[in-house]
Amino acid sequence: DAMVIQNPRYQVTQFGKPVTLSCSQTLNHNVMYWYQQKSSQAPKLLFHYYDKDFNNEADTPDNFQSRRPNTSFCFLDIRSPGLGDAAMYLCATSSGGRVPYEQYFGPGTRLTVT
Amino acid sequence: AQSVTQLDSHVSVSEGTPVLLRCNYSSSYSPSLFWYVQHPNKGLQLLLKYTSAATLVKGINGFEAEFKKSETSFHLTKPSAHMSDAAEYFCVVTFKYTGTASKLTFGTGTRLQVTL
Repeated sequence: DAMVIQNPRYQVTQFGKPVTLSCSQTLNHNVMYWYQQKSSQAPKLLFHYYDKDFNNEADTPDNFQSRRPNTSFCFLDIRSPGLGDAAMYLCATSSGGRVPYEQYFGPGTRLTVT
Repeated sequence: AQSVTQLDSHVSVSEGTPVLLRCNYSSSYSPSLFWYVQHPNKGLQLLLKYTSAATLVKGINGFEAEFKKSETSFHLTKPSAHMSDAAEYFCVVTFKYTGTASKLTFGTGTRLQVTL
């Protein structure tokens, strides 16, 4: 089945220690998104790629970076995690240019910062 | 500008009774509307979508929603709740963001509790 895969499902890192989260997709979608979701809140968009074009949300901290080496993979890098970065990180994809623009989500990576 | 209001942060029903989760939206454009479900420590799963075709939309697991333009509502219903329906539900509106990417505007979510 076509899907969005995130690894690892659970990640523990230390305060200030860089961490990378991974997302891959078999849907062949043009657009990939990264969201941060804190407890009992809706997901918050951090940035997205349309093909290789990177689009950052205005309020995304500089501490968060992303890479998309090819259509299938996208990475979220947190350069110096703080305690406030502990959250669920969700990757999503969509087929660009088509109505109704629904997004397909991966299972998420839960990040703990100690 | 667009926004979504989920009128109930928490809904509790007994197993076998109907479910109603309420959602109102505001959009400058003809909206596309979705309901997503999220089980604990899982990603979001698309339940159903409205795209300006039929106003009554059927989704997975027996859920359906009716788009009512005059009331700017998109309420989610299910005739008979099952224990496995217990989860967080998000009503979402979307529009075309950059050239071909979409941006989702989420409601604050409704937690559905199902009791025996």
